[in-house]
Amino acid sequence: AQRVTQPEKLLSVFKGAPVELKCNYSYSGSPELFWYVQYSRQRLQLLLRHISRESIKGFTADLNKGETSFHLKKPFAQEEDSAMYYCAPKNYGGSQGNLIFGKGTKLSVKP
Amino acid sequence: DTAVSQTPKYLVTQMGNDKSIKCEQNLGHDTMYWYKQDSKKFLKIMFSYNNKELIINETVPNRFSPKSPDKAHLNLHINSLELGDSAVYFCASSTGGANGYTFGSGTRLTVV
Repeated sequence: AQRVTQPEKLLSVFKGAPVELKCNYSYSGSPELFWYVQYSRQRLQLLLRHISRESIKGFTADLNKGETSFHLKKPFAQEEDSAMYYCAPKNYGGSQGNLIFGKGTKLSVKP
Repeated sequence: DTAVSQTPKYLVTQMGNDKSIKCEQNLGHDTMYWYKQDSKKFLKIMFSYNNKELIINETVPNRFSPKSPDKAHLNLHINSLELGDSAVYFCASSTGGANGYTFGSGTRLTVV
């Protein structure tokens, strides 16, 4: 089964500083990976899918198969980026598979 | 229109009671899920249904029983509620494949 590790429980940066939220996964094949964001007391929202290679709200994430990592990065953090961020690889079980969520990293951007 | 809607948003109830949480999606997705988010913000899958058929049933007490009357609805019934059931329960849906999930806004269950 797929496992996912987000080593930082809390990441605190100042506004304008670069931010990197780490994510490592265990699946050695061709994984499907996602980042989700949860603002305070709101629903989880899809932020990025690795297959689309897009940039959303200034965030990007590169899949590194050699390191089995999918770190989330933003060059200049904003206060409104403060939220919980979850890395979620897809676990292949059953006929559809399901997303396995990491324990999450709380990003706090200070003014 | 809300894509994935859950009711109620808040639920406060006493230990031992039976309660249900409803979820509906209007996205035409085939697969629906229930996730539990505990006080430490950990998210864990509970159940997955595809076209009304149970696909995933993680290690969840049998006091929890999902019901899917059609592929647009996945309800969660909980019997004999316990203090440890207090959490936020999220419903989600997807088309499967490489697509992500669309989540509901969550139901905050508090058992007193």
